[in-house]
This record gives sequence, C-alpha cells and structure tokens, in this order.
Amino acid sequence: DVKVTQSSRYLVKRTGEKVFLECVQDMDHENMFWYRQDPGLGLRLIYFSYDVKMKEKGDIPEGYSVSREKKERFSLILESASTNQTSMYLCASRLPLWDHKTPGRQPQHFGDGTRLSIL
Amino acid sequence: AQKVTQAQTEISVVEKEDVTLDCVYETRDTTYYLFWYKQPPSGELVFLIRRNSFDEQNEISGRYSWNFQKSTSSFNFTITASQVVDSAVYFCALSEARDSGGGADGLTFGKGTHLIIQP
Repeated sequence: DVKVTQSSRYLVKRTGEKVFLECVQDMDHENMFWYRQDPGLGLRLIYFSYDVKMKEKGDIPEGYSVSREKKERFSLILESASTNQTSMYLCASRLPLWDHKTPGRQPQHFGDGTRLSIL
Repeated sequence: AQKVTQAQTEISVVEKEDVTLDCVYETRDTTYYLFWYKQPPSGELVFLIRRNSFDEQNEISGRYSWNFQKSTSSFNFTITASQVVDSAVYFCALSEARDSGGGADGLTFGKGTHLIIQP
C-alpha cells in the first residue's frame, strides 16, 4: 500500500518563527507535492518536485520554500511564519510520467495532513 | 487556464438515497485527466478514480459510478444507496497534459462538496 507520512498532525507556532513541515513517502516516487487547504478555497498547489534537488513553484509559492535532498523526503519551509499561513497542509507523491504523450495519468497519493496554526 | 467547478457546496440526504455530485471543468488541452478524491473527517485525501480525456467510457465500482460527458465538460459522481460512511468532502480534480520533461504537473482541485448522509 502507498504510504505518505507527514511528521505532525497538529502544529502551533508563533509569528516570525521558521517552520519546517516534513513529508516522507515509501513508494520510491519521483514526484512530490505540497498543497494547502483552506475553507472555501479548496486545495492549492504551493510547490512540487519532480526529482531529488528539483523544485518548481506551484500556484501560491510566496512565503514558502522547499527542500528535496533525498528522494523519499520533501520538506516545506515557512521562512518567517505569518498568521495568514494558518492552514491545513497536505503532502502528496506520485509515480513519474515518463511517457510525454500521457502525462498526468498517475494519481497522487496524499498524507494525512498537518493542521498548522500560527499565533 | 484550467478550472474545476463543484457548484454544490453541501448536500444532505437520508441514508439509502442516491446522490450525484457535479463536477464541471475547463481546459484548453485536448488531453487531460480527471480525478475524484474523498476526504473523510479524519482529513486524509483518498483517491477514488481517474479518467483520461480520450476514454469516455463510464465506470461503476460497487455503489459508486462516474459519468464522463466530454460534450458538456462534466465528470459527475453518483453514489447509489448512500451510507453514513459516505459522509465526507469530495473533490474533483483536473490534470492537464504537459510536455514538461518529468511531467510533474500538479492537480487543479474544485472547492469540494461536503456530503452529509443522515441515518
């Protein structure tokens, strides 16, 4: 079975702190993603990585950075946390899509989410 | 730009009723992929189904069925004889085909439909 593990289910931090959210997958997936989920806005893509040391911005990268030093681990970093970053954060992973004629075919598999509160 | 609309914010039905969740999408690509995910109260996103744009065959899996209508850009989800355990937020998502090397595209999600099944 696919397993994506996020380090914390709940996290409370203070404004200005540097915050690390960790995500680990055990399926040897090349592609990994970070989303945030907010009421009324659904899920929005923050960053993704298609391989080790690779990263690309998603739709809302401002205020975030990521690190992918090992294939199984994808970290989301809030350099200086702000209250508007209070949200549910979801990590996902997926098999690569090497057939350029049919990308996007594999489903993403999600972790349980981290509910982050910035006070 | 791609877009997914789930017009029903919340649906409440009594157990054993049939219920249909609507999903309408917009994309300029001729090749794309549609997904449905379920998010129970525990928070994790569970993959339900994927559909390729070039495969218009509808699918049935137990009490679940999906109706893909390319002519109306819709990918609706029906639960037959609903049960309390079906209560969750359901997300429809779209992934476009992109020739971007690794193909690590993210998903565009609708805002979700909160389905409440009353006993």
